[in-house]
Amino acid sequence: QVQLVESGGGVVQPGRSLRLSCAASGFSFSSYAMHWVRQAPGKGLEWVAVTSYEGVNKYYVDSVKGRFTISRDNSMNTLYLQMNSLRGEDTAVYYCARDGEKYGYSFGPDYWGQGTLVTVSS
Amino acid sequence: QSALTQPASVSGSPGQSITISCTGASSDVGSYNFVSWYQQHPGKAPKLMIYEVTKRPSGVSDRLSGSKSANTASLTISGLQAEDEADYYCSSYAGSGTFVFGTGTKVTVL
Repeated sequence: QVQLVESGGGVVQPGRSLRLSCAASGFSFSSYAMHWVRQAPGKGLEWVAVTSYEGVNKYYVDSVKGRFTISRDNSMNTLYLQMNSLRGEDTAVYYCARDGEKYGYSFGPDYWGQGTLVTVSS
Repeated sequence: QSALTQPASVSGSPGQSITISCTGASSDVGSYNFVSWYQQHPGKAPKLMIYEVTKRPSGVSDRLSGSKSANTASLTISGLQAEDEADYYCSSYAGSGTFVFGTGTKVTVL
């Protein structure tokens, strides 16, 4: 079965960096685009970024462009989110999610991990 | 990249039907049939309930159905049950590789 396990969350000061990881199993990781989606405490879902199955195409929500970088290592079945210049408004649970379309990325997330909490605070 | 608009809350009695709307723009919901609906229980990850406007993943109850007209998508839950009480989010492909989620709707079973 599809399993996605995020790690790397924690408390970080504003302006600092953090890297999240997402270990995937139970499916052909290298065949699917992967997303990051976040949810601030008590708030709704916000799509953050997507990387195509081979890692060539990457797209971001405007609020993180230039600060966050999505990447993947298909040999390790792992997705990453490098977050730089963190702000208070980046505080959220970060979910990794698989795209529902093999070799595409316009379907949107289907399977989700349980999330990892990032708290940006001094 | 503005969030899709959903009602903050919808409620109904057991056995009734409810409908949640999801209003976007011609650049997202109106342009693509990549509209999905997710159910989220407190403290849990979202679960895909509807994809490509009307399709249900295997294992999802046929009491849920989706539709779309112009820039507005809708999720209908028929025969409301206690287990349906949760938050529901729509999402849409918005072009150029980007996605947008709805503001979320809290469904209460009275």
